[in-house]
Amino acid sequence: GDSVTQMEGPVTLSEEAFLTINCTYTATGYPSLFWYVQYPGEGLQLLLKATKADDKGSNKGFEATYRKETTSFHLEKGSVQVSDSAVYFCALSGKGAQKLVFGQGTRLTINP
Amino acid sequence: DTGVSQDPRHKITKRGQNVTFRCDPISEHNRLYWYRQTLGQGPEFLTYFQNEAQLEKSRLLSDRFSAERPKGSFSTLEIQRTEQGDSAMYLCASSPFGGESRQFFGPGTRLTVL
Repeated sequence: GDSVTQMEGPVTLSEEAFLTINCTYTATGYPSLFWYVQYPGEGLQLLLKATKADDKGSNKGFEATYRKETTSFHLEKGSVQVSDSAVYFCALSGKGAQKLVFGQGTRLTINP
Repeated sequence: DTGVSQDPRHKITKRGQNVTFRCDPISEHNRLYWYRQTLGQGPEFLTYFQNEAQLEKSRLLSDRFSAERPKGSFSTLEIQRTEQGDSAMYLCASSPFGGESRQFFGPGTRLTVL
């Protein structure tokens, strides 16, 4: 079945550092890909998405590019802030399917 | 702006008891989803409704679990004869019909089975 694998956490960085959180997927066909974020004490929120190969999703300074050849959707940000501290989830939705399949999540802590 | 709401936010119960959770989706959304999230893991899909019709159920949804959405608005998730392994966060999400619709998540109900 479809699956998502994220890099192991937790990840701790200093403010203004460059961030990469790796995400790879296994799916039949061409799924839609998502990054969700869960801030402390809050519900899951969509951060960005991409629906076809080579699409780049972006939001709040975060970017991820849908790479079909490597089945990856890595999350990047050039300069992180303390307010980016949260748990980040990579997810996919198979073509024609409604459910989301999530990775295990990566906890990110940014120190001032 | 009223988002997805869930009630209760926390539930502590003894093994063998029945529990019921409620989800109120965003009012114009006709799709509603239930997920379960255990500590340190990502959410896992349980079931999905389009209006009042339950269109998909995960194998995770054992016979002790039942979900309803009787009028296509709010939904309930009932767990009968709870077990300690049912302890988790139960998340509800909703989305409008059509295309690659974004799912909006509620805050979740945290269940602890003693």
